[in-house]
Amino acid sequence: EPEVTQTPSHQVTQMGQEVILRCVPISNHLYFYWYRQILGQKVEFLVSFYNNEISEKSEIFDDQFSVERPDGSNFTLKIRSTKLEDSAMYFCARQGISYNEQFFGPGTRLTVL
Amino acid sequence: DQQVKQNSPSLSVQEGRISILNCDYTNSMFDYFLWYKKYPAEGPTFLISISSIKDKNEDGRFTVFLNKSAKHLSLHIVPSQPGDSAVYFCAASLTGANNLFFGTGTRLTVIP
Repeated sequence: EPEVTQTPSHQVTQMGQEVILRCVPISNHLYFYWYRQILGQKVEFLVSFYNNEISEKSEIFDDQFSVERPDGSNFTLKIRSTKLEDSAMYFCARQGISYNEQFFGPGTRLTVL
Repeated sequence: DQQVKQNSPSLSVQEGRISILNCDYTNSMFDYFLWYKKYPAEGPTFLISISSIKDKNEDGRFTVFLNKSAKHLSLHIVPSQPGDSAVYFCAASLTGANNLFFGTGTRLTVIP
């Protein structure tokens, strides 16, 4: 099955700046997820998004984070005021045929200076 | 949050031999388990999964075993190939939820 693509592949930003990470599905899927992986740590769930609404979110997904699908295609993760500890790989995933299976994009490496 | 644990950070295996990657979990409500492989600078790639109603699932060289009483699952790769060298993540999901809980990963090195 085709995966998703993510842009940019690497984003460098200054602390306090806003960043928008994008996820582009290959085909028309309804269920999406964002995960992050801080260097050397495990992959952590951030948020799931179904039919243009947040379905579930973790404790990590606080008021600094938001998700939307502005044009019905791209799926974005916005961090309003980045902190040093937001530096991580951010992965978008889509749901597979089985609702438990998820297929990940290549990730965006976010570096906050 | 250590609901899914992979206690071996690394494993080295000779080409052609069996690789056994282990995973333990603490939450008895997990009902679906998955294994992902990850290469550097890429996203996790789905390998194989198993429902909690089964104890074994096989797909080619990959077999996942689930022992619910021990809250333990393992991934067997046989025969191991150099291209299998990657970080392997175990993941689990809860009934009624879709987010995955990941382990910390095991780096597998298959030596030619």
